[in-house]
Amino acid sequence: GAGVSQSPRYKVAKRGQDVALRCDPISGHVSLFWYQQALGQGPEFLTYFQNEAQLDKSGLPSDRFFAERPEGSVSTLKIQRTQQEDSAVYLCASRPLQGMNTEAFFGQGTRLTVV
Amino acid sequence: DQQVKQNSPSLSVQEGRISILNCDYTNSMFDYFLWYKKYPAEGPTFLISISSIKDKNEDGRFTVFLNKSAKHLSLHIVPSQPGDSAVYFCAENYGGSQGNLIFGKGTKLSVKP
Repeated sequence: GAGVSQSPRYKVAKRGQDVALRCDPISGHVSLFWYQQALGQGPEFLTYFQNEAQLDKSGLPSDRFFAERPEGSVSTLKIQRTQQEDSAVYLCASRPLQGMNTEAFFGQGTRLTVV
Repeated sequence: DQQVKQNSPSLSVQEGRISILNCDYTNSMFDYFLWYKKYPAEGPTFLISISSIKDKNEDGRFTVFLNKSAKHLSLHIVPSQPGDSAVYFCAENYGGSQGNLIFGKGTKLSVKP
């Protein structure tokens, strides 16, 4: 497709369940970002990939969060033993170049609800 | 402490008038800023950007102004239209060549017909 695609759009998980969120970036985009957006807040940075290398994971809130991009294209954000505070919209974004002056393109997000 | 601050959570404007959305930042190292627009149940979409070599960037009805000494930027929409009703996020490019974006909390704009 032409844009960033995320799946599933909606996910309801029972507390303690593991979830996996998928992101298909725009083809050829080098940079890929994951953000977490809580209700009423702006997107909060989680982690960043340049091709397959995870260059920054400083925003991951706990060791229950894990992200990978093994072939430098599709990325998966995994959350283990989900907690209620993990409920949020998870946004993926990609950027064509490494440089500063380009915008990031966002997917529609995955809304995770932990019950 | 927040690096990017949008102090007005909401703004209501009459159709045809000017909308002014404000943003303050604290980090002076990185000087590329972006505005995103977000409709409910959709991801943010890029609207307009500005780098520090400029103090103004214009694209149709949208103009962004940058005041580096005050560490302040603003987005002007004129004339405002009902379809502009959305949440607007200011973002600062952070991380140099890595290009991570730090977002404000957003301002919800309502344009009334």
